This record gives sequence, C-alpha cells and structure tokens, in this order.
Amino acid sequence: GQQLNQSPQSMFIQEGEDVSMNCTSSSIFNTWLWYKQDPGEGPVLLIALYKAGELTSNGRLTAQFGITRKDSFLNISASIPSDVGIYFCAGQKIRGAQKLVFGQGTRLTINP
Amino acid sequence: DAGVTQSPTHLIKTRGQHVTLRCSPISGHKSVSWYQQVLGQGPQFIFQYYEKEERGRGNFPDRFSARQFPNYSSELNVNALLLGDSALYLCASSFSEGEQYFGPGTRLTVT
Repeated sequence: GQQLNQSPQSMFIQEGEDVSMNCTSSSIFNTWLWYKQDPGEGPVLLIALYKAGELTSNGRLTAQFGITRKDSFLNISASIPSDVGIYFCAGQKIRGAQKLVFGQGTRLTINP
Repeated sequence: DAGVTQSPTHLIKTRGQHVTLRCSPISGHKSVSWYQQVLGQGPQFIFQYYEKEERGRGNFPDRFSARQFPNYSSELNVNALLLGDSALYLCASSFSEGEQYFGPGTRLTVT
C-alpha cells in the first residue's frame, strides 16, 4: 500500500540535542499529522496541521506543513529520555475522509 | 475519560481460522477506523465506519470485513487467516471528521 517517505529511518542522539525529521510525498495531502508510538502501544497524536505553510508547536515539538502540500517536518528541541520511540508522519488527502497514509517511521534513540 | 479500548490484547490463531477483533471508541466519537501495522512499518488503512455505514475501504482482500454497532463499537473480522495476517491491528476513533485517536491495538499471531 501507499506510504509516505519518512527520513531518517533511525536517529541516535545525545540527551539535550535537537532532532529533525521529515516526510515527503509525490502527491498532495490536505492534512498532515505527527504521531509517536511506544512499544506495545498505539500511536499517540502529537501535532495536527491543516494549512499549507502552517507552523504549529506543542511544547518542545514544532511541525510545519510544507507550502507545496507534499511534505512536512517535525522538530524536537532539547531532547529528553522520554522522547524515545517511533515517530510517524501521516497524511490525509481529503479532509474528513478518515483514511490516513503513514510513513515508515523514524526510530529515535537517546543516549543519556 | 477512557480512551479507545480494544480486545483482546493478544491472540494466536492457526492458518485457515477466522478471528474477530473488537473496538470501543472514545465516548461521543461516532467514527471508527481500522489499521493493520506489520512489524517495522507504519499502519495501513483497512476500513472506516461512520454511523454504522462503511465510509472507506483500503486495499485489503474480501477476507477482511467489519461492522459498527448502534453504540458505535466495532468489530473487525478476518477469515481464512494467512501467515501474512500476523500484525498489530489498530482501531482509531474520531468525532465525525476530526482527529483520530488510536487504541493500544490487538497483536495477532498466525501460526
């Protein structure tokens, strides 16, 4: 099935460092979302973006909806141990149609 | 408030058997969607139900079916199980067209 191209696939960083990951698509999406998934649990919604160019923050997390509507990025500032997990981007082509298309995920590991 | 709940948590089945997975949405949410997440990949959309009607279907064979009940809970059924059906099955609920909130999933292993 279709998936978004998410990079990097994995990251190994030191505690306190900033993190950046992105997601690209060959087609347009009208909504972009970022989720975090811990082992054995379902994805948890972090940030939702609804307008091209929109920049939204949630605490130490900042995400942007690309102006072309074909990409999005997520930044995490001053990483802490609880940021460890897998981060997924997801796109929604038709607002209101619930089908989400997901990226392959970025696995974040933090060295204390 | 309780989040999305799913049962069972884990399930082991044999090839050829069928399975029923259950989902209870967040109170007040009328839309339920099902996703399959194979190890190492992102979730793949299977179905969406809203007000007991199918609103969307992903690229899955007819062995997969679902329904939604008057209380907005939902069941996902998979017939003639294959080894490749082994995955984490996620349910997500939303209020109408809003953001989707996921349950913890049901881990299905087919042997």
